Amino acid sequence: EAGVAQSPRYKIIEKRQSVAFWCNPISGHATLYWYQQILGQGPKLLIQFQNNGVVDDSQLPKDRFSAERLKGVDSTLKIQPAKLEDSAVYLCASRAVRGTRTEAFFGQGTRLTVV
Amino acid sequence: AQTVTQSQPEMSVQEAETVTLSCTYDTSENNYYLFWYKQPPSRQMILVIRQEAYKQQNATENRFSVNFQKAAKSFSLKISDSQLGDTAMYFCALGEGAQKLVFGQGTRLTINP
Repeated sequence: EAGVAQSPRYKIIEKRQSVAFWCNPISGHATLYWYQQILGQGPKLLIQFQNNGVVDDSQLPKDRFSAERLKGVDSTLKIQPAKLEDSAVYLCASRAVRGTRTEAFFGQGTRLTVV
Repeated sequence: AQTVTQSQPEMSVQEAETVTLSCTYDTSENNYYLFWYKQPPSRQMILVIRQEAYKQQNATENRFSVNFQKAAKSFSLKISDSQLGDTAMYFCALGEGAQKLVFGQGTRLTINP
């Protein structure tokens, strides 16, 4: 089966600019996560979708970050305006709600550098 | 609230040795899953092994096995006959049904030739 696709792989922007990341989950996976992983740390959940509804966005900095999942499939994560501390890898993952495969499958991530 | 703690920031062993990575967690749920993920320098997270909390038997996958102590909320990963390709960051993660998946801070494992 095709894996989780993310783009772009790398992005360099100046502070105060905006940026968007795209994620295409595994077909049929109802749950989609966006994680922020700062170098040397574990992934931190930004937002979780169940189909096209938000389940948890408690750690999303809503003054600058936004995310949507149209039609319960693809998702985009946007940062506007970016700050230096947003430099990180942004990971997208998807997970089936039912069935025996309970683990999350991850994309390769987008490395964002804010200068 | 769910929490996952990995108390070993770094570990290093010689090739072919056995190494154990520690993880403790906290949850108020009875139904949950535990995972170990590997993240090599390419940065894609790869599932190593998973354990369903309702199963008493410890999960094994070839050279990888876990020691799941539910009462102590402990979930350690044992890697036998370690190989150079096992060098990576290892993350312990806790998932509850369809709810959020929480990760620990990771252990950087280096296998030396």
